[in-house]
Amino acid sequence: DGGITQSPKYLFRKEGQNVTLSCEQNLNHDAMYWYRQDPGQGLRLIYYSQIVNDFQKGDIAEGYSVSREKKESFPLTVTSAQKNPTAFYLCASTQSSYNSPLHFGNGTRLTVT
Amino acid sequence: ILNVEQSPQSLHVQEGDSTNFTCSFPSSNFYALHWYRWETAKSPEALFVMTLNGDEKKKGRISATLNTKEGYSYLYIKGSQPEDSATYLCAFKRSTGNQFYFGTGTSLTVIP
Repeated sequence: DGGITQSPKYLFRKEGQNVTLSCEQNLNHDAMYWYRQDPGQGLRLIYYSQIVNDFQKGDIAEGYSVSREKKESFPLTVTSAQKNPTAFYLCASTQSSYNSPLHFGNGTRLTVT
Repeated sequence: ILNVEQSPQSLHVQEGDSTNFTCSFPSSNFYALHWYRWETAKSPEALFVMTLNGDEKKKGRISATLNTKEGYSYLYIKGSQPEDSATYLCAFKRSTGNQFYFGTGTSLTVIP
């Protein structure tokens, strides 16, 4: 079955450490997105990528980095520069066409202490 | 940052009641409006993708309408069932750029 896989489901890190969240899709989608969810807020876009080797900053990119070396993979690194990294992170993908919906992974809950 | 608003924030209804909620978005540079259902411990799933002013979509007991000129969409659930309990998200895409802008969601609880 096609889908998006995010791993791990829960992640714990000490403050000051970088951490990388995995997102893999086998839907052959062109576009991939990383969102962050905090209590009482909507999904906020961190980074997105429309094609391999290209990505754009979203509204809250500071303290994050991404790569898109393969179509299937869009890992997100939360760096020590991110001031409030504890959050729920969702990865999504879609075909870059007029009426294609987003497909989401199950998310990663990151806790930094 | 573009503003997409959903109301109400949460809703509790009795099984069998019909209900509706609202998504408001900018009326300029419209491209698409999406509705998603997000059940606890699952990933969000697409309900509707709406692209034309006046669009009406239906899936079983759930339907949605779209008014791009005034910048709102309604989601209706007829005869709510406990399995309809979820957070309903709308996402706006404008004609410039490739970002989706999400509302904060409406949390629906259907009481048996």
